[in-house]
Amino acid sequence: TQLLEQSPQFLSIQEGENLTVYCNSSSVFSSLQWYRQEPGEGPVLLVTVVTGGEVKKLKRLTFQFGDARKDSSLHITAAQPGDTGLYLCAGPNAGNMLTFGGGTRLMVKP
Amino acid sequence: NAGVTQTPKFRVLKTGQSMTLLCAQDMNHEYMYWYRQDPGMGLRLIHYSVGEGTTAKGEVPDGYNVSRLKKQNFLLGLESAAPSQTSVYFCASSYLVHGYEQYFGPGTRLTVT
Repeated sequence: TQLLEQSPQFLSIQEGENLTVYCNSSSVFSSLQWYRQEPGEGPVLLVTVVTGGEVKKLKRLTFQFGDARKDSSLHITAAQPGDTGLYLCAGPNAGNMLTFGGGTRLMVKP
Repeated sequence: NAGVTQTPKFRVLKTGQSMTLLCAQDMNHEYMYWYRQDPGMGLRLIHYSVGEGTTAKGEVPDGYNVSRLKKQNFLLGLESAAPSQTSVYFCASSYLVHGYEQYFGPGTRLTVT
């Protein structure tokens, strides 16, 4: 079973601070996706990383895929209240369905 | 385009009652999925469909049934609800499966008492 563990589970910070959340596995994934879920809504895809060592930037969000394709990180620069939400990583398992991590719940206080 | 819609948004059931959750998508996607989301456990796949008339079991299929009679609709049924099925249920769809974006509905919050 391919498991994805996310850390931290909860993070509460002040507006303007930087933060990094992690998605780790003991298994190799061909790709990883990051989703953001706002309260009362479904997850929305932020990015897909497919190459070991790949770095993708989405405005203030920087996503990195580990060289060995077993881990990924999401770094947010100068967090804003609008960044508040649940961040989920997901990767395809042996059956080609997505396996999701448990998520990091981020709260950014004004 | 409405994307993925789910009905109802909220439901309270008593143990042993049955219900059907409806998911509809207007993106002509082949693949559709039903997930449940519980605190700290992310999303777990219940059942999925790779096309009209086909269904398959996911990670946590027990106590649920599904049907996909039309390409745009995917129904999730609970024949005899149990308190362990209290959860938030999400439907999703995608054009293909591997590495492609999944589009999620807004969710159905189900409480079984």
